[in-house]
Amino acid sequence: SAVISQKPSRDICQRGTSLTIQCQVDSQVTMMFWYRQQPGQSLTLIATANQGSEATYESGFVIDKFPISRPNLTFSTLTVSNMSPEDSSIYLCSVVSAVGSDTQYFGPGTRLTVL
Amino acid sequence: SQELEQSPQSLIVQEGKNLTINCTSSKTLYGLYWYKQKYGEGLIFLMMLQKGGEEKSHEKITAKLDEKKQQSSLHITASQPSHAGIYLCGADMNAGGTSYGKLTFGQGTILTVHP
Repeated sequence: SAVISQKPSRDICQRGTSLTIQCQVDSQVTMMFWYRQQPGQSLTLIATANQGSEATYESGFVIDKFPISRPNLTFSTLTVSNMSPEDSSIYLCSVVSAVGSDTQYFGPGTRLTVL
Repeated sequence: SQELEQSPQSLIVQEGKNLTINCTSSKTLYGLYWYKQKYGEGLIFLMMLQKGGEEKSHEKITAKLDEKKQQSSLHITASQPSHAGIYLCGADMNAGGTSYGKLTFGQGTILTVHP
């Protein structure tokens, strides 16, 4: 199994600022993803973090707002830019160890509150 | 409307009782994942089902995927307070099952178990 850590675990930020969230996995994984869980809502996929190339964003999410990096097979960052209160959510990193794997793991999440 | 419907939205049971949570879609589910989430935390992977009619068990939790691969159920036998949390179903809904990690989630079921 993959053990995922995220930093920070939570933060309170002012509107207009940016926050970078880190995701570290204890083993090399094929695929990494970023999800968002808004208050009282279920999870929504933001993007697929691609190693060495630009992330692939889902409908409704753009690179300028959520820039993502993935420099290697164990690490990724998600930045929430120019934040507004609507960005208050839990942001979760998720990994699939290998294509065809029957297990998908999620990190502990980063709880973001924007004032 | 939700692509993946969970029912019930919330469930309160007495310790020792059995319970069932359902996850339904009008589309084929190519991979169906069950997770448990403690309030404000990350997701704990429970089980993944892929084949029609498949059933898996872990300790007191059993998950099934129907033959048409459009409905899954999660059954907990002799519930305990430790089972309390939010249960989420997530599915790969891409034809051919090639979404690899791009999951669509249901709204979740909040389970409370009274001692």
